[in-house]
Parts: sequence; C-alpha cells; structure tokens
Amino acid sequence: AQSVTQLGSHVSVSEGALVLLRCNYSSSVPPYLFWYVQYPNQGLQLLLKYTTGATLVKGINGFEAEFKKSETSFHLTKPSAHMSDAAEYFCAVSGPGGYQKVTFGTGTKLQVIP
Amino acid sequence: GAGVSQTPSNKVTEKGKYVELRCDPISGHTALYWYRQSLGQGPEFLIYFQGTGAADDSGLPNDRFFAVRPEGSVSTLKIQRTERGDSAMYLCASSSTPVARRTDTQYFGPGTRLTVL
Repeated sequence: AQSVTQLGSHVSVSEGALVLLRCNYSSSVPPYLFWYVQYPNQGLQLLLKYTTGATLVKGINGFEAEFKKSETSFHLTKPSAHMSDAAEYFCAVSGPGGYQKVTFGTGTKLQVIP
Repeated sequence: GAGVSQTPSNKVTEKGKYVELRCDPISGHTALYWYRQSLGQGPEFLIYFQGTGAADDSGLPNDRFFAVRPEGSVSTLKIQRTERGDSAMYLCASSSTPVARRTDTQYFGPGTRLTVL
C-alpha cells in the first residue's frame, strides 16, 4: 500500500527565507512522487515529479525536491520564499498498476511573513 | 487552451437529496479522475475512467456514489440520498495519454464544494 506523511500542517517562513516542506513516503513498489500546490479556491497544480533517474528534481516557481530512498523522503525546498508562495502544498505518491492512482498527504499550509 | 472545468462551483443541498456534479476535462484527454477532499485533508481517490469505462471505482465509499462518462468526455458524479458526511470538495482531473501511466501529469479542475445541510 502507498502512503505519504507530511510533517507539519502549518509552516511559517519570512519572505526571503528558505522554504522546507517535509514529506516521507511508504510504497510497495518503486515510488513515483509528486508535489502539488493549491491556491485558495483553485485546483491542484503540479510543481514537480520524480519518476526515475536524477534524484534532485526541479520544478516550477523555483521549487525543487530531492528523492532519498534511504530516508524514504521527498522534501520540497525553495531557497528564497516569496509572498506569492503562500498556499497549501501536497505531497503524493502514485500506486502500482499501469495508471496514476495517487495517494495524497494531508497537506502543509505555507504562510509567508513579510 | 481551456483547462478542466467543474460545475457548479458550489452546491448546497439538504440531507437525503440527490446531487450531480459535472466535470469537463481538457479536450482530448482520455483519462479522467474524481477525488474527494475533506476539510483539512488531502484529496482521496474515488474513481478513474479510461474513455467511457470506469477502470477503477475502488475509491467510491458506498453504493450511493456513482459516476458516468457516456461519451468519453464529460463526466458526472452522482450522489444519492446525500448525508452530512458527504460534505467536501469534489475534484476532477484529467490526463492525456491513451493508456494512463503512473508518471502522467494530472490536470485538476477548481472543484465543486458540496455542503449537505
């Protein structure tokens, strides 16, 4: 079975500070991992995904994540937070099978303080 | 081009009533997914369509929930005898490949917020 644990339901950072959102996963198959962002009253938007190959994945809006198999982690980072980064972030893992049945974490709300 | 659209954006109904939620996927996308997102939770998978057929409906919570996609495009999620516990955001997503793969990017709609009084 697939599962994702996001540590911290709320994270606050100052504008310009490092953003670090934590995600640990459990997967019965080699994991495919995703980070999505959800702005208020909007659908989810894909930030980045890891499938195979390079373990450091770069996404949109300056975000990146590193897949660490030994730690079963896929933490999301951004060197310098912008006010526009305030949103809810979801880590997700896709299940076995030939299609993308995705299991999401419970989300982390990022607050950026001016 | 146009993204995934969902109507209505908000639906308020009374306990015991029947509701229909509509999803218009991105044109040409063959795979379509429904998710339910309760307050403070991540989205939970409900059902996946490939074309007109439901390839996996294992996430539907009970037989009050049903979804159709008769022409392989628009989908409707139907909930009978609604209960207060059905109150949630219902999200639809679509992806483009003929045979959906684990790596596919799903494009999400803005959701329908259902409130059952």
